[in-house]
Amino acid sequence: EADIYQTPRYLVIGTGKKITLECSQTMGHDKMYWYQQDPGMELHLIHYSYGVNSTEKGDLSSESTVSRIRTEHFPLTLESARPSHTSQYLCASRGDRGWGADGYTFGSGTRLTVV
Amino acid sequence: SQQGEEDPQALSIQEGENATMNCSYKTSINNLQWYRQNSGRGLVHLILIRSNEREKHSGRLRVTLDTSKKSSSLLITASRAADTASYFCATAETGNQFYFGTGTSLTVIP
Repeated sequence: EADIYQTPRYLVIGTGKKITLECSQTMGHDKMYWYQQDPGMELHLIHYSYGVNSTEKGDLSSESTVSRIRTEHFPLTLESARPSHTSQYLCASRGDRGWGADGYTFGSGTRLTVV
Repeated sequence: SQQGEEDPQALSIQEGENATMNCSYKTSINNLQWYRQNSGRGLVHLILIRSNEREKHSGRLRVTLDTSKKSSSLLITASRAADTASYFCATAETGNQFYFGTGTSLTVIP
């Protein structure tokens, strides 16, 4: 079944550690996105990609980085985690049947806590 | 900010009642979408309405769009306890990005 997977679901990690949040989709979508979601629910776009070797920063400034070496894989990396990075991270992908014709498919999210 | 705003922020109703949530946005759009999020999970796409459409139905969901007022509403009829979730609107303006609203938290009491 076509889907989008995020791992891990929960991560508690110490300050200063390097972490990578994984996101993979089996739908062959070119467009992939990372959102950060506040406890108050608002979603902020932090990175997006329109295809292999294409990555852009979103509206919310983030100290994370992303890579897109394969269509199906869009990992997010924090080189040195800080408590301010504690949040829920949501990965999404989208098909492209025409401008805005497709909605996002979201992963289940990674809840990150930095202590 | 390009993000929309949902209203109300939180809504609590009895099972069987209808739930209405509103979304307002600021710029012209190509389409508007509604998503649902269960606690601690990702968002699930519910319905998309294009800027040239005024109303759309999907099962117990009814979405309206008023581009002159830059607003949309989501109606859930005959609500069930399983409808308890947060609901977000998202607008597609230019480019390939969607901007999400702040969400409405719906609680349906059995």
